[in-house]
Amino acid sequence: GESVGLHLPTLSVQEGDNSIINCAYSNSASDYFIWYKQESGKGPQFIIDIRSNMDKRQGQRVTVLLNKTVKHLSLQIAATQPGDSAVYFCAENNAGNMLTFGGGTRLMVKP
Amino acid sequence: DTEVTQTPKHLVMGMTNKKSLKCEQHMGHRAMYWYKQKAKKPPELMFVYSYEKLSINESVPSRFSPECPNSSLLNLHLHALQPEDSALYLCASSQELGSRIRSYNEQFFGPGTRLTVL
Repeated sequence: GESVGLHLPTLSVQEGDNSIINCAYSNSASDYFIWYKQESGKGPQFIIDIRSNMDKRQGQRVTVLLNKTVKHLSLQIAATQPGDSAVYFCAENNAGNMLTFGGGTRLMVKP
Repeated sequence: DTEVTQTPKHLVMGMTNKKSLKCEQHMGHRAMYWYKQKAKKPPELMFVYSYEKLSINESVPSRFSPECPNSSLLNLHLHALQPEDSALYLCASSQELGSRIRSYNEQFFGPGTRLTVL
């Protein structure tokens, strides 16, 4: 079946370095993607989204890249901080605003 | 107020108990959602309400019974649960159900209720 998945379950980075979290999707009809951050004991928090008619979108310290040719999505976090430590999920928005989440990547920031 | 609140934060129940989870938002959102999240797994959609009417039931067992008494409240009634139902139950809301044609509506999540079934 169609799925949204992640390459790396855990990513450990040094504070101040840039982080890159990857996501692969298999539904070629997907046209909207979202990155969520989930801290321990909290619900997912919206970070940034991108539509398929774009290949890059920037927010504050975060950038999402979309490569439709290889069905790949990535989240880049600049100057990673301890507060960025969390699990990051990519999600595909289906028709009717239904979200299908990928498997998640845990980001650990070392001081 | 851009917050979705959920009560209780933690719940422990036996398999014969009846309990309810509550979710509330005051953002004027007309779509509300229940998700189930097992440890180290992504959230999985259970139910969707749109304008207080059940829009989607993702083949959830009948021991889970959702209710939307008004546009601000969403309940999940639990009865005769199994230990494997232990999970984090997340509520979310969005302005309305979006579509590719109209718009995509960001879903705001609550902190969840950590449920343990003994």
